[in-house]
Formats: sequence, structure tokens, C-alpha cells
Amino acid sequence: GAGVSQSPRYKVAKRGQDVALRCDPISGHVSLFWYQQALGQGPEFLTYFQNEAQLDKSGLPSDRFFAERPEGSVSTLKIQRTQQEDSAVYLCASSASQGAVGTGELFFGEGSRLTVL
Amino acid sequence: GENVEQHPSTLSVQEGDSAVIKCTYSDSASNYFPWYKQELGKRPQLIIDIRSNVGEKKDQRIAVTLNKTAKHFSLHITETQPEDSAVYFCAAALSGSARQLTFGSGTQLTVLP
Repeated sequence: GAGVSQSPRYKVAKRGQDVALRCDPISGHVSLFWYQQALGQGPEFLTYFQNEAQLDKSGLPSDRFFAERPEGSVSTLKIQRTQQEDSAVYLCASSASQGAVGTGELFFGEGSRLTVL
Repeated sequence: GENVEQHPSTLSVQEGDSAVIKCTYSDSASNYFPWYKQELGKRPQLIIDIRSNVGEKKDQRIAVTLNKTAKHFSLHITETQPEDSAVYFCAAALSGSARQLTFGSGTQLTVLP
């Protein structure tokens, strides 16, 4: 596609519900990242995929957070048993280069805003 | 790990004046420093970046300087316009590795007409 697409754009969940956030990266982009952006803060790294391999998940805040990219294209971030502190914008980004910033620009989606009540 | 600090958190300037945003980083191995602009409710977009083999890079009204010794880098916007109003984020990373970008906390720039 023309850019990184994320869905849903907005999600309201009751505490304890599970949510799934989807990311469609730019076609052919090898690298895919998930970031969490709290209100008024910079994006914070969650996890990184190179094709279908999850090479770094050091930023996932707890075992309630799980990400996958089974075919090396679309990725899903799943949050189980959501808590209020999970409320944030979840940004997906992709890059044509391998690794975070080899030679390619990081392109962001518009994010999924999660509100946990 | 890397830690990036960004100042100021808010900045107001008159249209036509210059704006300067400063960032420091902690990991001397970092060698890639991009700047992102994020308008309200929109995605972060890369506006300029610099690698550690150069000290300054300019693109029209935007310039970035890097001081590796002091581990700080700055964004300079000249002849500011109302459409420059946005949140600006600096970031740092180790180029060529799988290491992720570490972002600063952002600067809300407001250009007053």
C-alpha cells in the first residue's frame, strides 16, 4: 500500500478485556516495529520483527503483551486482560532496511488509540 | 540502554523567528539521529536526520547539528511559519543494527502569527 495502515484507529475496552491491534506495513518492507506512545510522551519501543522473526521483544511491558507477524507482512499486537495503564496510542512502523535504521527511513502508521475504562 | 533527553518541552516563537530544540543522548555508540514532526492526531514523520560522520546537515529552513564529544544534537528551524507548529521528537539509534530508536519526550512548538 501507499503507507503503513493500522486498525482500528480507536478502541475502547473495558478493563480485563483482550484487544488485538493490526498493522499493514508498506509492501516489501522487511522490518516492522511496534511503539507505545503515552499522552504527551515520545514513542517507546515495544518489539521488532525482521520478516516473520521477532528479533527483539525487550520493550513489551508484561507477558500480557504479545505480537506476531506470521507471514512476514501483517502484524498483530495483542494485549490480554487490559489494564488502565495500557491506555495509549500504539504506533506501528516499517522500514525497507534490515535492522532499525540501516539506510532506510522508518515510516509510521497513524496509530491505534486504546482507551481502557 | 540509551537515554535521550529533550528540551524545552514547550516553545513559542513569533512567525519568522528561529526555533532551536536540543537533545542529549547517553550511549556513545549511537550514530544515527533522526528528528520527527508529529501534528496532533497524526503519524510521526521524518523531517531530517544526521549520522555521526557529519557535524551538520541542512535542508532548506531546517538544520541539525551534532556534537559527538558532548553527546548532544540540536534542531534549528529558521523563518518559522504557522504550519511548523507541531510536536517535534528527537531520537537516537545505532545504525545498521537491530537496535530500536530511542525517542526524546518531545517539544511542542507553537508559531504565533
